[in-house]
Amino acid sequence: GAVVSQHPSWVICKSGTSVKIECRSLDFQATTMFWYRQFPKQSLMLMATSNEGSKATYEQGVEKDKFLINHASLTLSTLTVTSAHPEDSSFYICSARAGTARGQPQHFGDGTRLSIL
Amino acid sequence: AQTVTQSQPEMSVQEAETVTLSCTYDTSESDYYLFWYKQPPSRQMILVIRQEAYKQQNATENRFSVNFQKAAKSFSLKISDSQLGDAAMYFCAVMEYGNKLVFGAGTILRVKS
Repeated sequence: GAVVSQHPSWVICKSGTSVKIECRSLDFQATTMFWYRQFPKQSLMLMATSNEGSKATYEQGVEKDKFLINHASLTLSTLTVTSAHPEDSSFYICSARAGTARGQPQHFGDGTRLSIL
Repeated sequence: AQTVTQSQPEMSVQEAETVTLSCTYDTSESDYYLFWYKQPPSRQMILVIRQEAYKQQNATENRFSVNFQKAAKSFSLKISDSQLGDAAMYFCAVMEYGNKLVFGAGTILRVKS
């Protein structure tokens, strides 16, 4: 149980284009999803917390207009990297919590490798 | 703000042996949760073990166990009977208010056959 699917797993695109990444909870409802960014051999850095039906909460230093997050349903959150540039190239991972009780573990998707040429 | 420190960038263990990965943290909260996640080369984050701070008993999951020292703010992971499939990056994490996870820098575990 508690499976999170992330799509696409790898995307290569030209500088200036926008890229959408989907995060789906397959067998549970997720009122809260999280988006992380990870550079090679480094830790995960939280970008934003996504709550169903409301605006995402962004961490300090994360550009809201660059990284658009939408959480339109209890099973889907999307991250759109707008006007992507080479410095946006990274590994992006989403996670979701099954339930609202405090302390519930986050379950992670397989991640998306984004390469901007 | 909470911080998590993993002081061992890399560790090696012989297959079938035991290894302990260290983690210390800092938090001002009295009620919190601690986690160990494993990230193999596939880069998927896999939950290894979870500890509730208000529970004194150390959590165990098969070959994985923790040594939770609340006063010392220490949360080490012990892997017994190490297997080749245990090779991965291991992250220690603290869950703060708002259910956000704060991760340590990670420890690369290599398993020798």
